[in-house]
Parts: sequence; C-alpha cells; structure tokens
Amino acid sequence: DAGITQSPRYKITETGRQVTLMCHQTWSHSYMFWYRQDLGHGLRLIYYSAAADITDKGEVPDGYVVSRSKTENFPLTLESATRSQTSVYFCASRPPLAGDEQYFGPGTRLTVT
Amino acid sequence: QKEVEQDPGPLSVPEGAIVSLNCTYSNSAFQYFMWYRQYSRKGPELLMYTYSSGNKEDGRFTAQVDKSSKYISLFIRDSQPSDSATYLCAMSEGGTSYGKLTFGQGTILTVHP
Repeated sequence: DAGITQSPRYKITETGRQVTLMCHQTWSHSYMFWYRQDLGHGLRLIYYSAAADITDKGEVPDGYVVSRSKTENFPLTLESATRSQTSVYFCASRPPLAGDEQYFGPGTRLTVT
Repeated sequence: QKEVEQDPGPLSVPEGAIVSLNCTYSNSAFQYFMWYRQYSRKGPELLMYTYSSGNKEDGRFTAQVDKSSKYISLFIRDSQPSDSATYLCAMSEGGTSYGKLTFGQGTILTVHP
C-alpha cells in the first residue's frame, strides 16, 4: 500500500548500543522528517531532508544521525543510545508544491534500558 | 511562553455532543493551519487543513481560523466514540525552505457512548 512505513514498530535496546530506525515512503515526496514525541514536550523535530543527500538539523538533533541516499528512505540512527532517547519516533513526509501539511508514519516506540 | 498553546484537557463528552477544540498562537506570521487526529499508539493523521482566516467544513468537522485574534478552533458535530483521540493543532508560516510546523501539545478527547 502507498504511504509511509516505519520499522521496527517496537524496539528495546541497551544504553550505548547503536540503533537504526527505518522510514520508507512510496509517494516520492521530496521532504521527509523525523520527530520524537514525549509527554510534556509534544512533537519535536529531530532532522529533516529536502531531497536525496540533503539533510539538516531540526530542534533536537544531538545524538542522532540521518542519511538519505534514496528519495524513498530516510533512516534515523542513534549512535550510542541513552535513556533520554526513550520515546516514540515518527517519520513524516511532505509533497512538493504543496502547503506545509505533513503526512506521518505509524511510529516506532523505542525503549532504552 | 510557547508559540502555540493548546489546552491538554482531558475532555470528556457524551456521544452526540458538539466538541470545541482550540489553540492560540503568538506568531502573527502563521498562515497555514492544520488539525491532526492521533489515535492511541498510532501516528498523527491530517484531519483538516486551512490557509489564512475563515472556515472550512468537512462532514462533521469544521475548522475556523481567526488571525486577528490568533485563535483557531476545530468543531466536531454529533461526536462519536470513534472520535476519541488526541487532537493536535499545527501551524506554519509558509515560505520557509522546508515548511516548519509548530505543534500544540494536543487535547485528549474521550466520547462516551
């Protein structure tokens, strides 16, 4: 089906481990985003990408790395996971020549122990 | 002070009630206004999208924007138990490189049968 998929949907990892969250979209949207959602903080932008090989920092980028070698994929890597990175992570995309509306994936619930 | 303020609720109403959800904002440059619905353990789903001031209706949902008061509302008529979710307002200035969205904290709505 068309849309955004995220994997895994649930992940438990240990402090210090590297974790990669995957995001795949079938719309060929140029813009893609990674957010984290936490109680009391709402949705916060981690990184975004305007196109393949073009990425930039959002509001809370520290401890995260992104890449975008293909338009449809936008993985997010936690290089050395910390407990403060326990959160729900959402990937989103935005079509070109549109208003600013974004379309979200189902999320990945990450727990760092 | 947050750029976008949204009463977190929770809001509990009986089935069939008219629900009013609201957000206020401080940035007069916001031009695009969105409402997202988020079911438990799901990603935000775009519900309504409006540009500038005015009303927009879609079935049981009406979005209102009053830019002079920096106030937006979402009305749900004949509310149903299936409307139980968290509702997030989001807004953007438009014209930025990637379309930065600023979100409210979300209002938790429960509709009782």
